[in-house]
Amino acid sequence: EIMLAQSPVTLSLSPGERATLSCRASQSVSSYYLAWFQHKPGQAPRLLIYGASNRATGIPDRFSGRGSGTDFTLTISRLEPEDFAVYYCQQYGSSPVSFGGGTKVEIK
Amino acid sequence: QAQLQESGPGLVKSSETLSLTCTVSGGSTNYFYWSWIRQPPGKGLEWIGYIHYTGTTDYNPSLKSRLTMSVDTSKNQFSLRLSSVTATDTAVYYCARGQGGYSVWGQGTLVTVSS
Repeated sequence: EIMLAQSPVTLSLSPGERATLSCRASQSVSSYYLAWFQHKPGQAPRLLIYGASNRATGIPDRFSGRGSGTDFTLTISRLEPEDFAVYYCQQYGSSPVSFGGGTKVEIK
Repeated sequence: QAQLQESGPGLVKSSETLSLTCTVSGGSTNYFYWSWIRQPPGKGLEWIGYIHYTGTTDYNPSLKSRLTMSVDTSKNQFSLRLSSVTATDTAVYYCARGQGGYSVWGQGTLVTVSS
């Protein structure tokens, strides 16, 4: 079973700042099957990145993903007010599918 | 664009069976995998499992002994049954399309397990 550890747990930043979120896997993950989601209260999660680095349809280019093997990163280049939310990574190349514990990006 | 909608009781008694259905509109259940994910209050997302339209399933090992998923392609629906529920099964339950990297989600439905 692949465990995903996200860090930091909470990231306190101001609008306009850069956010860097980490997702570290306990075993190597195929990049094809690494995704990032944004989740806001009362809403369904929203797919941001699939295949580790591919932006989903309609996702602004301030969101970018990179990484391979066991280390993956989601970067938000300049935080907009609507970006304050919880972010999850997910691997689905190995059974069982797993999510990271999440990183909350909050307004400083 | 396909849309998903969860339905089922919002309150289930402890030790009973939780049953949810996800109805797919604007698309077909054919040719896809269909997943269930949940989020307990104050916690993160938890993968429950998925079912292929052919009936192949993969379940979270921690839930496998209590879990059954099914798909009805004639009704464009897929379902989840979780038996012997306890308070720890209280969560918002989401259905989604795919094995992972879900681009299509239901809005989620809160299921509370009462004693």
